[in-house]
Amino acid sequence: QQQVKQSPQSLIVQKGGISIINCAYENTAFDYFPWYQQFPGKGPALLIAIRPDVSEKKEGRFTISFNKSAKQFSLHIMDSQPGDSATYFCAASSSGGGADGLTFGKGTHLIIQP
Amino acid sequence: DTAVSQTPKYLVTQMGNDKSIKCEQNLGHDTMYWYKQDSKKFLKIMFSYNNKELIINETVPNRFSPKSPDKAHLNLHINSLELGDSAVYFCASSQDARNYGYTFGSGTRLTVV
Repeated sequence: QQQVKQSPQSLIVQKGGISIINCAYENTAFDYFPWYQQFPGKGPALLIAIRPDVSEKKEGRFTISFNKSAKQFSLHIMDSQPGDSATYFCAASSSGGGADGLTFGKGTHLIIQP
Repeated sequence: DTAVSQTPKYLVTQMGNDKSIKCEQNLGHDTMYWYKQDSKKFLKIMFSYNNKELIINETVPNRFSPKSPDKAHLNLHINSLELGDSAVYFCASSQDARNYGYTFGSGTRLTVV
């Protein structure tokens, strides 16, 4: 059972454009929603995270939008740059801990064309 | 200083062999994890280890066993390797067991031939 569904699987955006990646979750116990960025040959690195008590969080060019009632959250990358080309993973977890740890989406391969 | 370090970075071995992957974190975190990333880049938890409590994902074969000599280390031992074990294995750590703010290592690419 995939508890976090991520789309699209791949995305091509022109330099300077807005990249948007969407995720939906099923488990209402989730209360922490991070996004990770992974470059080839590297481990995932935490990019930005949000908790369900806010609807939006912005850090530089990266913004998370969160819709608790729809159980959806998205990552927006403003003014996308070639250096943003990477695989992006949304994830979710419950602060109660447990065996599931961080549950990841299947990833989005983002390419920013110069 | 690398926060979460794994060795080796690449591991090529034959079916049936036993191998180990080492992981060390210098962040002072209490909880460590092993994740498996398959050929489609899907990340799935294998184990979490906190304060000597091991939580095992039920889908992990018992050929895989984590060993933690101390809070800063969580090694992964794999017995009787199979072709399907080929993947990238990531070690990660977090401050506590509440599943926040993971820091991942750079991964170990295991190839079983």
